[in-house]
Amino acid sequence: AQSVTQLGSHVSVSEGALVLLRCNYSSSVPPYLFWYVQYPNQGLQLLLKYTSAATLVKGINGFEAEFKKSETSFHLTKPSAHMSDAAEYFCAVRETGTASKLTFGTGTRLQVTL
Amino acid sequence: SQTIHQWPATLVQPVGSPLSLECTVEGTSNPNLYWYRQAAGRGLQLLFYSVGIGQISSEVPQNLSASRPQDRQFILSSKKLLLSDSGFYLCAWNRGSSTDTQYFGPGTRLTVL
Repeated sequence: AQSVTQLGSHVSVSEGALVLLRCNYSSSVPPYLFWYVQYPNQGLQLLLKYTSAATLVKGINGFEAEFKKSETSFHLTKPSAHMSDAAEYFCAVRETGTASKLTFGTGTRLQVTL
Repeated sequence: SQTIHQWPATLVQPVGSPLSLECTVEGTSNPNLYWYRQAAGRGLQLLFYSVGIGQISSEVPQNLSASRPQDRQFILSSKKLLLSDSGFYLCAWNRGSSTDTQYFGPGTRLTVL
């Protein structure tokens, strides 16, 4: 079965600093990987997804992620954090099979300080 | 464009009472539908999914059940709520292709007292 591990349940950065949120995956087949963002008391919104095309994926709000097969990683980055980036971020991997299920990591809460 | 609705937005229920949460999708047909629960401080747990009307798959055995009476309607139910059923319930849909995104509804905050 596919799985993802998000290292660091809480990450704090200063406004303007680099954001790096880590995600490692385990998959028996070429994975499809997703990053979602969740603001308090809201649903999840897709930031970006990797579907075996370009290994560097650009998403919304200035975020990007790089698929590294050798490291089984799909880390999320943003060059300069903004206060509005404070939220919870989830990495997910698509399960094999016809139901297109996703397996989510446990999430990383990003705090942005002045 | 497609939209997904969930109601109610918040719900406070006593232990032992029944539950019915509704999710509807507009602007698409024959979507895959999913129910997730997000407990406080935890990730998302897939509860049920459906690939068609009347087709329900359960991921976690529990006192909850799901039904899909219409193509774009997904209902989460319980006959008797437990304290442990408290959480944030999210409905999601996708078109079913391998690369397709799951789109999430706004969620229902359930508190069981």
